[in-house]
Parts: sequence; C-alpha cells; structure tokens
Amino acid sequence: DAGVTQSPTHLIKTRGQQVTLRCSPKSGHDTVSWYQQALGQGPQFIFQYYEEEERQRGNFPDRFSGHQFPNYSSELNVNALLLGDSALYLCASKRRGADIQYFGAGTRLSVL
Amino acid sequence: GENVEQHPSTLSVQEGDSAVIKCTYSDSASNYFPWYKQELGKGPQLIIDIRSNVGEKKDQRIAVTLNKTAKHFSLHITETQPEDSAVYFCAASPTNTGNQFYFGTGTSLTVIP
Repeated sequence: DAGVTQSPTHLIKTRGQQVTLRCSPKSGHDTVSWYQQALGQGPQFIFQYYEEEERQRGNFPDRFSGHQFPNYSSELNVNALLLGDSALYLCASKRRGADIQYFGAGTRLSVL
Repeated sequence: GENVEQHPSTLSVQEGDSAVIKCTYSDSASNYFPWYKQELGKGPQLIIDIRSNVGEKKDQRIAVTLNKTAKHFSLHITETQPEDSAVYFCAASPTNTGNQFYFGTGTSLTVIP
C-alpha cells in the first residue's frame, strides 16, 4: 500500500513564474491538505480539499490555488512566484472525519 | 487563531538518557494533539497522538502527556537511541477548523552515542 506520494521531488523556478505540484493520497483517503514548510520552521496550513472543493484555507494569498480530482489526487498551483515562496511543500491525506493525517515526502521548491 | 509554542529548539542527550519536549497551545477548542518526527529530506512521520479526553498515552519508549487546564502537552522519549535523532514537531488541531493542524517550530534532537 503506497503512502502519500508527491511529485516532483525538487523544482527550480524564477520569480514571476508559475508552478504546479502534485499529490496522490494514501489508499482509502479522500481528504488532502497542503502545507508550506520554510527552512527551520514548522509546516503552515495552506488549504484542504475534499469532494473536489476547497473546504478550509489558511492565511495564504490568492496566488496559491488548488484542485482535487475525482480520484482524490490533488494539485497545488502557485502563480507569480516570489523568492519567499521557496520552501518544502507537503501534502497530507486522511479519511474524512478522521484526525490522523499522513504526510508525503514533499516537493522542495527553490525560487531564484 | 491557534498558536503553538515549542521548547526547546535544540536538545542534545546521551544515548540511554530521556528527552522531553514541551508545547503550549492557546485555543481551548483544540482537541487533538499529534507529534511528528521529521528526518532530513523526508516528510513528517506521526509517532504518537493524544486526544483531549485523555491525560496520558504511551507507546513503548514514547509517551505524551496533556494538561488541558494549563494548555500544554509534552513528549517523553526514554532510553534514547541514535536513530531517535531528528526534528520533532508538535501540533494542535481545533475542532472548528476541519482538522487543520497548527504546528510548533520544531525541536532538533541529537542523541550522542
């Protein structure tokens, strides 16, 4: 049983570009959350998706958007990249109504 | 919103000694408190969790305690081993946020052989 998988593992972009990160949840999970983890910090909640809709959102600008597909996989899109967007982006999945979330290994985004 | 503080930021212990990491939270609506271990280049891995209706939970060498009145919870690792070296994060999840996690800033634990 595969856990949460994320792609790509590393990504380098320049300021102003757009990026798409992908996540496949653990088998049997229908809820996906995205977190941003800056170097030396704890993860910060970006948003959560289930039933293909954004259900909760953290304190992130509209440049951050997402999507969930019918197979529960998800994408995180970031537009107009800033240097400060450089971070590890983590995807977490769970069953709706459950507390426990399982994290993927993350995508390391570097903005130059 | 919820605010989680974690101490210490770094911790070094001799192999076989105990390690304790402490967290405080601000939102009394928080009712779920997981602890995650993150090794270099990997995502956070759940090691233990506790819910607000329980004061203590133990799993082999790892235990977590929760004091709801004081709004703090702690991770205890006994008989530490070099493979326990990692960054540990506490988190709190309020009931009214759809299980959104608020994380502490992490504790880098080094176990010296």
